[in-house]
Amino acid sequence: GESVGLHLPTLSVQEGDNSIINCAYSNSASDYFIWYKQESGKGPQFIIDIRSNMDKRQGQRVTVLLNKTVKHLSLQIAATQPGDSAVYFCAEKAGANSKLTFGKGITLSVRP
Amino acid sequence: DAGVIQSPRHEVTEMGQEVTLRCKPISGHNSLFWYRQTMMRGLELLIYFNNNVPIDDSGMPEDRFSAKMPNASFSTLKIQPSEPRDSAVYFCASSLDAGLAYTFGSGTRLTVV
Repeated sequence: GESVGLHLPTLSVQEGDNSIINCAYSNSASDYFIWYKQESGKGPQFIIDIRSNMDKRQGQRVTVLLNKTVKHLSLQIAATQPGDSAVYFCAEKAGANSKLTFGKGITLSVRP
Repeated sequence: DAGVIQSPRHEVTEMGQEVTLRCKPISGHNSLFWYRQTMMRGLELLIYFNNNVPIDDSGMPEDRFSAKMPNASFSTLKIQPSEPRDSAVYFCASSLDAGLAYTFGSGTRLTVV
């Protein structure tokens, strides 16, 4: 029979525009969150993290926003470039000795 | 820092054969994780070690899979006997602590024919 693949949601943006990638998490006890980027043929790469005592953290061209009230995490990429095309994963953990739980991933496609 | 090193990068084997995947974590990291990534299931945690001790192997699919970490600088994931449905990319990751960000290796793409 035909197998059904995991169809990741895709966000398509124009080069130079800002991108916003969203993630909903389910565990209200989660206290640490990370965004990973995975390019084709490579392992996931750490982008930025945030702890639950913060609601915003900025890096180079990236900003992570955390809304604990609605259990929502977002990654904003400024001036999106072709090299930003990848699959993005959010990950969460709850408690000091717990492991990270990864979301399903979102594909970002940058149009030239 | 060489990062997390996995070998081989690609492995093609026949059904029924034994497959061994290898991982060298980042020096000083005390937690090591084995993940499997497929189109069907995404990124799945198979097992993780803390200070060389297996902490959670609930993700190991069945008895054909086993993992060891004989010392802080080396881990193996073994599949015996391998089956076509084991075809996937297997990632190893390490971290300073299980609760901190993980650094992933480049993965081993396994194809079982």
